[in-house]
Amino acid sequence: EPEVTQTPSHQVTQMGQEVILRCVPISNHLYFYWYRQILGQKVEFLVSFYNNEISEKSEIFDDQFSVERPDGSNFTLKIRSTKLEDSAMYFCASSGGQAYGYTFGSGTRLTVV
Amino acid sequence: DQQVKQNSPSLSVQEGRISILNCDYTNSMFDYFLWYKKYPAEGPTFLISISSIKDKNEDGRFTVFLNKSAKHLSLHIVPSQPGDSAVYFCAASGGNSWGKLQFGAGTQVVVTP
Repeated sequence: EPEVTQTPSHQVTQMGQEVILRCVPISNHLYFYWYRQILGQKVEFLVSFYNNEISEKSEIFDDQFSVERPDGSNFTLKIRSTKLEDSAMYFCASSGGQAYGYTFGSGTRLTVV
Repeated sequence: DQQVKQNSPSLSVQEGRISILNCDYTNSMFDYFLWYKKYPAEGPTFLISISSIKDKNEDGRFTVFLNKSAKHLSLHIVPSQPGDSAVYFCAASGGNSWGKLQFGAGTQVVVTP
């Protein structure tokens, strides 16, 4: 069964450093998403991406965040200057359209120290 | 911003019996609802969905019921199996933001022998 692949599974970074989280969506999907889950809290929407541009973003997704699809297969989330409160599980998801649901990756646990 | 609520943080059920998970929502623009299952250190796994034009959708042991007037949906798992022990999330989307899922807080299900 097709799956969404995320790397790394766990990343530890120092506060103020830049991190890039990587995702390989399902190959024929056109819609891509990042979500995050802070420990003990809900899964929260960050951003959606379609046709090489952001289609929607949440208030969490400020200027410190950016997304990119650099080579037609990878989908990345960059945090420019990490803060302690960015520590969370970050999930990538992709979709072929609303009727096809959303497939999530297994997540990257980001720990900012 | 609690547009999707799962008021039961946990549920314990005996193997072979029915598990009933509940979810309430407040946003009348939501028209697509999903249930996800999540194991620790894994991403959410899609279980079943329902659009607002239906009031019931069934897939094997899983049935989702939607009551639009009450803004309530439920997931029935029959019969419950030990492998069903996980956190179950209700999610909703709608209108032009169909790709932006709003998640509930989750219900931890424990299936006992």
